[in-house]
Amino acid sequence: GAVVSQHPSWVICKSGTSVKIECRSLDFQATTMFWYRQFPKQSLMLMATSNEGSKATYEQGVEKDKFLINHASLTLSTLTVTSAHPEDSSFYICSANPGTGNNYGYTFGSGTRLTVV
Amino acid sequence: GENVEQHPSTLSVQEGDSAVIKCTYSDSASNYFPWYKQELGKRPQLIIDIRSNVGEKKDQRIAVTLNKTAKHFSLHITETQPEDSAVYFCAASASGGSYIPTFGRGTSLIVHP
Repeated sequence: GAVVSQHPSWVICKSGTSVKIECRSLDFQATTMFWYRQFPKQSLMLMATSNEGSKATYEQGVEKDKFLINHASLTLSTLTVTSAHPEDSSFYICSANPGTGNNYGYTFGSGTRLTVV
Repeated sequence: GENVEQHPSTLSVQEGDSAVIKCTYSDSASNYFPWYKQELGKRPQLIIDIRSNVGEKKDQRIAVTLNKTAKHFSLHITETQPEDSAVYFCAASASGGSYIPTFGRGTSLIVHP
């Protein structure tokens, strides 16, 4: 089945530093990947849609200069949290749809627990 | 845009009982409705889905029903087991565009042994 790999699974960083999270589709090509943020006991909130070879599309209220997204290949999207602050601490999850052009269930990465101290 | 409401937020049942989680959606163009199970600290896993041309789908102890007219769909788990304890999310998406699903707020299911 379709597998999405996400790294790192957890990271602790100091305030003011930047953190990069990688999302890879292992057995399929993904022209589009999605980045979600999830606070404890809350739902998945879509942050942005990552488009291979073009700019990401950000949801309203998400700072594009703070959450940099790069989708350089058909199997890799990265999310960089720049100048991280404690309020950025959260669970970040990427996903992709292995059924390009069709409506299929999305496959999620394993998530990254970010803690900013 | 699409709005998905999910109820209840918490559901506590005894092992062996049935559990039902209900969702409503607003966009009549939505035609795909997946359900995800998320265990603590782990990724959401697709457990069952249904498309708008089907009214009901079953997979062992799990079933989903869809009422297009009323714009609601439900997840039914029979003979619940402690390992069914998790957060369940419903979602709705539409053909065309990028098929981005809109998620419900989640239901925390607790199955007591």
